[in-house]
Amino acid sequence: EAGVAQSPRYKIIEKRQSVAFWCNPISGHATLYWYQQILGQGPKLLIQFQNNGVVDDSQLPKDRFSAERLKGVDSTLKIQPAKLEDSAVYLCASSLVGLHTDTQYFGPGTRLTVL
Amino acid sequence: DAKTTQPNSMESNEEEPVHLPCNHSTISGTDYIHWYRQLPSQGPEYVIHGLTSNVNNRMASLAIAEDRKSSTLILHRATLRDAAVYYCIPTFESGNTPLVFGKGTRLSVIA
Repeated sequence: EAGVAQSPRYKIIEKRQSVAFWCNPISGHATLYWYQQILGQGPKLLIQFQNNGVVDDSQLPKDRFSAERLKGVDSTLKIQPAKLEDSAVYLCASSLVGLHTDTQYFGPGTRLTVL
Repeated sequence: DAKTTQPNSMESNEEEPVHLPCNHSTISGTDYIHWYRQLPSQGPEYVIHGLTSNVNNRMASLAIAEDRKSSTLILHRATLRDAAVYYCIPTFESGNTPLVFGKGTRLSVIA
């Protein structure tokens, strides 16, 4: 079974530039999550999708971050404009139906460096 | 949300058993206890989860206290590949099911 795919793996940009990350979840998984992991900390949820609808985006900085999940499969996360404090690893995860008993499967992450 | 307490770091010798503790004293009756680990430069990976009784799988065992206020992840024979940050995460029944990660326990394995 193919895992969660993410691209790019690494990205370096200057502040105020824009950047986009892509995620392809495990086939058939209805729930998709984007997490942000700052160095030395555990991952923190940014947004959760159930199929193509948003379940929770309460921790997404909506003035600069946006995300979509077209057709309930792939997802993109965008930052515009980027700030220095956005330097982090962005992790995508998926689970079968989103129950609290479900296993979440994580991708390798995209490491973003904002200069 | 249930709060957890884990030691910041632990050390083990290779091929020795490792017991990683977690306190989750505010857990409620329907909260599951999940353990994930994160190897260097990788995304977190699922290890094991349980509700009330002890659980075993090919990776580890999970011992849950009778009052459910604590649990212990047991790696029966640590290998160098087990060096990672281990997260104990209660998950509660609701419409939103993200994982809420704490700081976890950084396990070092000595050859």
